[in-house]
Amino acid sequence: DAGVTQSPTHLIKTRGQQVTLRCSPKSGHDTVSWYQQALGQGPQFIFQYYEEEERQRGNFPDRFSGHQFPNYSSELNVNALLLGDSALYLCASSLAGRGSSYGYTFGSGTRLTVV
Amino acid sequence: KQEVTQIPAALSVPEGENLVLNCSFTDSAIYNLQWFRQDPGKGLTSLLLIQSSQREQTSGRLNASLDKSSGRSTLYIAASQPGDSATYLCAVTGGGNKLTFGTGTQLKVEL
Repeated sequence: DAGVTQSPTHLIKTRGQQVTLRCSPKSGHDTVSWYQQALGQGPQFIFQYYEEEERQRGNFPDRFSGHQFPNYSSELNVNALLLGDSALYLCASSLAGRGSSYGYTFGSGTRLTVV
Repeated sequence: KQEVTQIPAALSVPEGENLVLNCSFTDSAIYNLQWFRQDPGKGLTSLLLIQSSQREQTSGRLNASLDKSSGRSTLYIAASQPGDSATYLCAVTGGGNKLTFGTGTQLKVEL
């Protein structure tokens, strides 16, 4: 049973560029959430997708956008990259309405470095 | 706004010692609390999930307790091993089914 897979594992981008990160949820899960984790900090919620729509959003600017596909996989896009966007980006999957019951499964993350 | 605090921020213990990690949260209206382990530069591994109606959960050498009314949880690790060295994060699920994390406790178990 495949867990959550994220790609790429590492990425280096230049300020002002755009980046796309990808996530495939755990088999049987239909909800995907994205988190940003700066060095030495706990993960911060970016947004959550269910039924191909953004259901919730954390305190992140519009430069952060996402998408969910019919197969439940998801993309995180960040435009106009800033140095402060350098972080580990984590994807978590869950079953709709069941995140509160069964918890969340996380991927290994994508390490984004902006130079 | 939910805030989660973890104490201590870092902990170093000799192998074989029993230890307790603490987590507190400000809003008791939670669905559950989850403890995660994170190795350097890696993703999160779920250790234990406690539903709001439960008091504790156990898995092997790990035991987590939850006192929702006081906004506290503890993670007890028995007979610690060097392989337990990692950062331990607690997170609560509140309204909207999103996780709010603490900043973690960095644990080092020395030989």
